[in-house]
Formats: sequence, structure tokens, C-alpha cells
Amino acid sequence: DTAVSQTPKYLVTQMGNDKSIKCEQNLGHDTMYWYKQDSKKFLKIMFSYNNKELIINETVPNRFSPKSPDKAHLNLHINSLELGDSAVYFCASSHQGTDTQYFGPGTRLTVL
Amino acid sequence: QKEVEQNSGPLSVPEGAIASLNCTYSDRGSQSFFWYRQYSGKSPELIMFIYSNGDKEDGRFTAQLNKASQYVSLLIRDSQPSDSATYLCAVNVLSGNTPLVFGKGTRLSVIA
Repeated sequence: DTAVSQTPKYLVTQMGNDKSIKCEQNLGHDTMYWYKQDSKKFLKIMFSYNNKELIINETVPNRFSPKSPDKAHLNLHINSLELGDSAVYFCASSHQGTDTQYFGPGTRLTVL
Repeated sequence: QKEVEQNSGPLSVPEGAIASLNCTYSDRGSQSFFWYRQYSGKSPELIMFIYSNGDKEDGRFTAQLNKASQYVSLLIRDSQPSDSATYLCAVNVLSGNTPLVFGKGTRLSVIA
């Protein structure tokens, strides 16, 4: 009965590779988010989707491309990975009209 | 630039004492305020939210909000070693489904 799930939990890859992270929520929420938490534990918004449409795209490199096939899923594809992309990526979701967000378990990405 | 400031700590308190965590925010129009707890290697977990000036109590936790001073705090009564974690203050400038702006977190250590 996991509320917000992410796969994979760990991802180790070489510089220059392309990788994807998947997120699914079974809470019936209609807004989903991607946050990045760097090595200093600073948690920062990357993308926000409401009803499958991108509503906020913070200043992130265009190597990062989110995709929402439906309200319950929000995936993150990263092209040409760089060392600085190493971080923990968290997916979160919230219900329309509320701002209480629930986080997934995170994906720890390590770029070598 | 919307900012949320927290003392990074570590804040050390003896078991049974009151832990006081503080947070200031820069955007006077901020609408809602959250405290998340994050254990090492885990995802942020919502513990309190507050929208109105004053105090809000939930078990051993009390959130305090002073919009005039742009200040929000979290008190943890009867601190337990299991409360040892990083506490993230988060602010939502707009109501509804908009991303949260997080502080860098305060690391709390409760000494048995």
C-alpha cells in the first residue's frame, strides 16, 4: 500500500549516459513534483506537474526532461549525465487545493 | 528570491528536554508553513503544518507562527533519542499546488 514509490532506489552510472527515474503515486493526487537534494542536504524543486501538464519548470538544465503519462505517474529522464547530477531525487505529490506534499523514498543517483 | 533560513546545527538536547527549532522566511506573502523530519538516508516526512498566527499543537509537537516577524518554530517536548533527525522548514508562497521552498534543515541530536 505504498503511497509514493520511485524506481530505482539506487542508480550508479557513468558520465555521458542517459538514465530515467520513475515515480508512481496511488493517493489519487493530481499534482506531482520532482525535487533534488544535493550533498549538503538542500532540497530544491525541479519540476511540478498538475493533471499531466507542466506548471512550473525551475531553472534546470534542459538535459532533464520530465514526462507525465497520466496523473499517477511522473518520470524524469536525464541525458548526458554529469558529475554534478549526483544527488538524491525525490518525487512528491499533493491533492488539488491543498499544499500538503507527500514524498517518495528517493532515488540516489551517483555519476562516476 | 524566496528564501527560508534555518540554523544548520547540530542542536543537541538531553533526553526529556524541550527542543526548539527556528526558521525565518523572506517572502511576506507566504501562505503556509510546514515542518518535515528527515532521518538519514530517508525521505522527508511531514510532521506539522500551520497556516495561521499562533500555536498549533499535535502530541509532543507544537508549531508556532508569527507572520509579522516572518518566523516559524517547532517545539518538541519530552525529546526522545528517536527524534534525532534533520528537521526541514518549508514554506509555500501561494496557496494550492505549488512547490515548497525548503530551508537547509537543522540537525537535532537527542542525547540519552
